Amino acid sequence: QQQVKQSPQSLIVQKGGISIINCAYENTAFDYFPWYQQFPGKGPALLIAIRPDVSEKKEGRFTISFNKSAKQFSLHIMDSQPGDSATYFCAASGKSSGDKLTFGTGTRLAVRP
Amino acid sequence: NAGVTQTPKFRILKIGQSMTLQCAQDMNHNYMYWYRQDPGMGLKLIYYSVGAGITDKGEVPNGYNVSRSTTEDFPLRLELAAPSQTSVYFCASSYSPQGSGYGYTFGSGTRLTVV
Repeated sequence: QQQVKQSPQSLIVQKGGISIINCAYENTAFDYFPWYQQFPGKGPALLIAIRPDVSEKKEGRFTISFNKSAKQFSLHIMDSQPGDSATYFCAASGKSSGDKLTFGTGTRLAVRP
Repeated sequence: NAGVTQTPKFRILKIGQSMTLQCAQDMNHNYMYWYRQDPGMGLKLIYYSVGAGITDKGEVPNGYNVSRSTTEDFPLRLELAAPSQTSVYFCASSYSPQGSGYGYTFGSGTRLTVV
């Protein structure tokens, strides 16, 4: 019940295109859904997060879409840039997990110039 | 710079050896975590702590031990290293358990190879 499933495992996008990464969760008690970005040789860093009381959150070129009934959420990167090339992790947490984050398996994004 | 400091950055261990991965943070965070990252497997929680003197097991604790004698330090001990412990280890800290607001602050990782 604690799993967070993430897809695709890897993604190649042309510069200026839209990158879309999807996650699905099973535990309906989850109430916090962040996305983390990790560059090679570095630790992950918080990118953007959403709570289930809203269906979408946008910060610059990054948007989280949240579908509570389907238990899915996704990250959209608009106008993708080579500097966005990184590994992206979705995560989820809630009281049932002691509020600790459960991470997805990660998506390696490569944005081609 | 404020943050999470992990040492060493790289280490090669022989099977059966022991070592301690060091982690220190200077943000006065109560919550600290140890994760391991394996290709295609994401981040798995090994141990976590909600404050000095309080630790608990995560998803994959076997073969590891931790202690938290101060707010700043959260070392991870590997006893009798095995090839299955070859991984990249990340320490993280946060102000709140979910990391809401500023998120988890991760160190830069320790790449451990057991041969």
